[in-house]
Amino acid sequence: DAGVIQSPRHEVTEMGQEVTLRCKPISGHDYLFWYRQTMMRGLELLIYFNNNVPIDDSGMPEDRFSAKMPNASFSTLKIQPSEPRDSAVYFCATSEGTREKLFFGSGTQLSVL
Amino acid sequence: GNSVTQMEGPVTLSEEAFLTINCTYTATGYPSLFWYVQYPGEGLQLLLKATKADDKGSNKGFEATYRKETTSFHLEKGSVQVSDSAVYFCALSSNDYKLSFGAGTTVTVRA
Repeated sequence: DAGVIQSPRHEVTEMGQEVTLRCKPISGHDYLFWYRQTMMRGLELLIYFNNNVPIDDSGMPEDRFSAKMPNASFSTLKIQPSEPRDSAVYFCATSEGTREKLFFGSGTQLSVL
Repeated sequence: GNSVTQMEGPVTLSEEAFLTINCTYTATGYPSLFWYVQYPGEGLQLLLKATKADDKGSNKGFEATYRKETTSFHLEKGSVQVSDSAVYFCALSSNDYKLSFGAGTTVTVRA
């Protein structure tokens, strides 16, 4: 299996623009997590899905952030409008059956200027 | 709430030195404990885990023992290699199954 695939690897955008991050989970994995990593706050769980249904979005910082999982093979995290403080590495992670052993993608490095 | 505290880095060692990274936790119930490793430019990978008190997780020469009495899960390796240079994260999972990560400890091993 190719592992968790995230795109793009790097994204540079200007403040106010819409940003969409994409994730393809490992086939058969029924849990999907979005994390944000910054130097100041470390790894933060933003939202997670089970069988394509959002279970807990309490970590989503503001209404500017939204996440969807239209099917078992694809998820998006959207920021609209983006702000410089959204600059971070965003990770998608998935797991099978348990929410404990996670497989992480390589992340998307987002820079908002 | 649940939280994990790791020793601050960075840690710089010579090859074949002994590595220990301290991790303590606060949690309700009986959490599972984990160490994840992040190599440069990559996502995190599970290194080892322990699900109950006195369990020892081990992998790739790394070990950690779940100590309920001291609420600790310290990571150790007897002889590090340059390839062990990475960021190490301690984490716990409690009844709500969400993983709470520590801040991470950067380890650099010099040849």
